[in-house]
Amino acid sequence: DIQMTQSPSSLSASVGDRVTITCRASQSISSYLNWYQQKPGKAPKLLIYAASSLQSGVPSRFSGSGSETDFTLTISSLQPEDLATYYCQQTYSTPWTFGQGTKVEIK
Amino acid sequence: EVQLVESGGGLVQPGGSLRLSCAASGFTLSSYSMNWVRQAPGKGLECVSYITSSSSTIYYADSVKGRFTTSRDNAKNSLYLQMNSLRAEDTAVYYCARFSLSGTYYFDYWGQGTLVTVSS
Repeated sequence: DIQMTQSPSSLSASVGDRVTITCRASQSISSYLNWYQQKPGKAPKLLIYAASSLQSGVPSRFSGSGSETDFTLTISSLQPEDLATYYCQQTYSTPWTFGQGTKVEIK
Repeated sequence: EVQLVESGGGLVQPGGSLRLSCAASGFTLSSYSMNWVRQAPGKGLECVSYITSSSSTIYYADSVKGRFTTSRDNAKNSLYLQMNSLRAEDTAVYYCARFSLSGTYYFDYWGQGTLVTVSS
């Protein structure tokens, strides 16, 4: 199975800050990397697919980059509504696996 | 509007069975592969099962293989997860999620989830 490791596990930042979350795959996954946002008590929501493509309707402050084994999710200017846990996911091979999540808190 | 609505969750004793359903609307279910994903309380996401549009390929996580069965009825726009021999560690919110049609694979729509609690 492909292991996905996110860092950090949690972070606290101020409104307007630039926030970066990293995700590392245990083997090359090309660009089969997706990012989801999960707000408390809600289902996950797709933010970024294929490493860098923004899902329709998602604010442009979210962006993704990377390939092979190293990927990044960036929030360019953190907003209060971005309070959530963020997960990366690989869909290169089954079982599709998720990172352990990064909890983003607002200072 | 695409909607996925799970049902069938509840409290069950260890060793018991439950059948989850996922009702799809706003799109043609028969065109899409689908997934079941679970999340134990306070934990991360785990893909439990994946089924192709024609049911020709069904994948199960090792943690549920031999106990869970995924099926679909495209005519009824429904996806199912039959869960047998349930264990305490199966306690989780279970989500159904649609797999994208594009050549890059992602879960583009999720249901709201249904809670399964395995406890005596």
